[in-house]
Amino acid sequence: QKEVEQNSGPLSVPEGAIASLNCTYSDRGSQSFFWYRQYSGKSPELIMSIYSNGDKEDGRFTAQLNKASQYVSLLIRDSQPSDSATYLCAVNDYGGSQGNLIFGKGTKLSVKP
Amino acid sequence: KAGVTQTPRYLIKTRGQQVTLSCSPISGHRSVSWYQQTPGQGLQFLFEYFSETQRNKGNFPGRFSGRQFSNSRSEMNVSTLELGDSALYLCASSFLGRPKGEQYFGPGTRLTVT
Repeated sequence: QKEVEQNSGPLSVPEGAIASLNCTYSDRGSQSFFWYRQYSGKSPELIMSIYSNGDKEDGRFTAQLNKASQYVSLLIRDSQPSDSATYLCAVNDYGGSQGNLIFGKGTKLSVKP
Repeated sequence: KAGVTQTPRYLIKTRGQQVTLSCSPISGHRSVSWYQQTPGQGLQFLFEYFSETQRNKGNFPGRFSGRQFSNSRSEMNVSTLELGDSALYLCASSFLGRPKGEQYFGPGTRLTVT
């Protein structure tokens, strides 16, 4: 059973701080890694994708991947109240298709003004 | 570019009935995946279609089925509804190629079974 694990939170950070979200996955064959943001009552929104070891930065967001440790993280710099949402880590191992994402249960982030 | 659209947005059905949900992918996207989201289980993969063929299927009973049309639009059907089928059903589309695996979700269909 392929699994993606996330701390459910809630993770509470003050406005302007760095929020650090973590994710581990069980399948060493995993090739693509994604972070989705989901506001309450809305559908998931893709915010970052990462495919190779190291860091990938996009604005205030940095995704980090360590395949040896089977670990993915998302850093949000200068956190804003509008960043308050559930963050879902997803992993794709293809297995013959690219449409099967395995999701963690999400970490709820709360940014306090 | 218009995003993924799903209809209807909300549905209330009774046990034993069946339901059909519809999804239109982003223009140019040929892969459509379906997911079920519940508070207890989170997001779970149902199935994926590409070029009218089911390429992958999650661990759901046969009551859950789907299809894809030549214009890439997809439908999923749930027969003999059970209370536990109450969930948010999400459709996601992706473009075959780089960036590989990125999926874009529609707004979802909220199904309530009474």
